[in-house]
Amino acid sequence: GAGVSQTPSNKVTEKGKYVELRCDPISGHTALYWYRQSLGQGPEFLIYFQGTGAADDSGLPNDRFFAVRPEGSVSTLKIQRTERGDSAVYLCASSLGLAGGDEQYFGPGTRLTVT
Amino acid sequence: SQKIEQNSEALNIQEGKTATLTCNYTNYSPAYLQWYRQDPGRGPVFLLLIRENEKEKRKERLKVTFDTTLKQSLFHITASQPADSATYLCALDQRTGFQKLVFGTGTRLLVSP
Repeated sequence: GAGVSQTPSNKVTEKGKYVELRCDPISGHTALYWYRQSLGQGPEFLIYFQGTGAADDSGLPNDRFFAVRPEGSVSTLKIQRTERGDSAVYLCASSLGLAGGDEQYFGPGTRLTVT
Repeated sequence: SQKIEQNSEALNIQEGKTATLTCNYTNYSPAYLQWYRQDPGRGPVFLLLIRENEKEKRKERLKVTFDTTLKQSLFHITASQPADSATYLCALDQRTGFQKLVFGTGTRLLVSP
């Protein structure tokens, strides 16, 4: 069975450019999460989707960051006017979304480098 | 302020020994806590979930304890193997009604043959 996939695996972009990062969750998982991980740190929550709606986007650092999940499956994280400080590994995870907690399945991440 | 603390220094042990990793938290009141394993260049992999009303949980060679009074979780790997070498992350939920996890910085475990 396929796990969570993310594309691209690596993205190098110039400061000020726009980037899109894609996440394909496990089929049937209603919950989808985006995290950002810097070197030597744990994943940092960005946004959570339950179905098509963003249930909590409190982790998005500013209005340059936006994410969508239009059909309740694939999600895209969009970053406008990229800055060097945006460089990190962006992780996507999905889960069944059970009340009371369930395991999250992570993708391999997209390594974003802003030059 | 809220903090999750895991040993930042790598833990080096010999094969066959028990590895014990610590996760301490401050100013959180999690309903449950999870442990994940992360290998270089990969996403975290779920290992165990323990709820606030559970003292201990086991899965094969893994054991997790959760002390809500001490605000601490211990993660044990018995009969450790070189293949257990990885970074181990603890994560707390924040009682938001969905699984909004806060991760620690992780502890790197190195098991020598």
